[in-house]
Amino acid sequence: GESVGLHLPTLSVQEGDNSIINCAYSNSASDYFIWYKQESGKGPQFIIDIRSNMDKRQGQRVTVLLNKTVKHLSLQIAATQPGDSAVYFCAENSQRGGADGLTFGKGTHLIIQP
Amino acid sequence: GAVVSQHPSWVICKSGTSVKIECRSLDFQATTMFWYRQFPKQSLMLMATSNEGSKATYEQGVEKDKFLINHASLTLSTLTVTSAHPEDSSFYICSARRVINQPQHFGDGTRLSIL
Repeated sequence: GESVGLHLPTLSVQEGDNSIINCAYSNSASDYFIWYKQESGKGPQFIIDIRSNMDKRQGQRVTVLLNKTVKHLSLQIAATQPGDSAVYFCAENSQRGGADGLTFGKGTHLIIQP
Repeated sequence: GAVVSQHPSWVICKSGTSVKIECRSLDFQATTMFWYRQFPKQSLMLMATSNEGSKATYEQGVEKDKFLINHASLTLSTLTVTSAHPEDSSFYICSARRVINQPQHFGDGTRLSIL
């Protein structure tokens, strides 16, 4: 079946460097994507979203890029801080009949090195 | 804004017990709420979608008689795990959304342990 997945399970970066987390999706009909951050023992926290009519969207220290040609999504975090350590999930809004919950990727664990 | 509260945060109970988990949207009205399940070091898996005042829509493989969902108001949804067994032990997370194609906002989850 179609799903959203990630390229790397773990990403280690130096504090202050930029982080790039990647996500591949396979449902070409997807039109809405969200990045979430999940800290240990907590629920996912909304970071940023993007619709399929856009290629790029910026937030505070974060940028999401969408490449519909290759069905690829990325999250860029500028000047990574210790508080950015978490698991990051991309999610696709999968509308199927009356159900339209999110399909989550496998997650990338971002580790910040001091 | 967009705060979702989930209660309880941790439950330990004996096999055969039924457990109710509450999900509340504190500062907004949620036309739709969702229930997910997450195993350790894995991603979230959608269990069901519920619209206020309607029956929940369950994902394939999720037993509707096992996982009872009620969404009686725009700010409250409940998940009841009936006759829970050890294999039901997991992290259950709810989310709430104002309108379609808007972000879902998540609660902090309920860790359910069945002995």
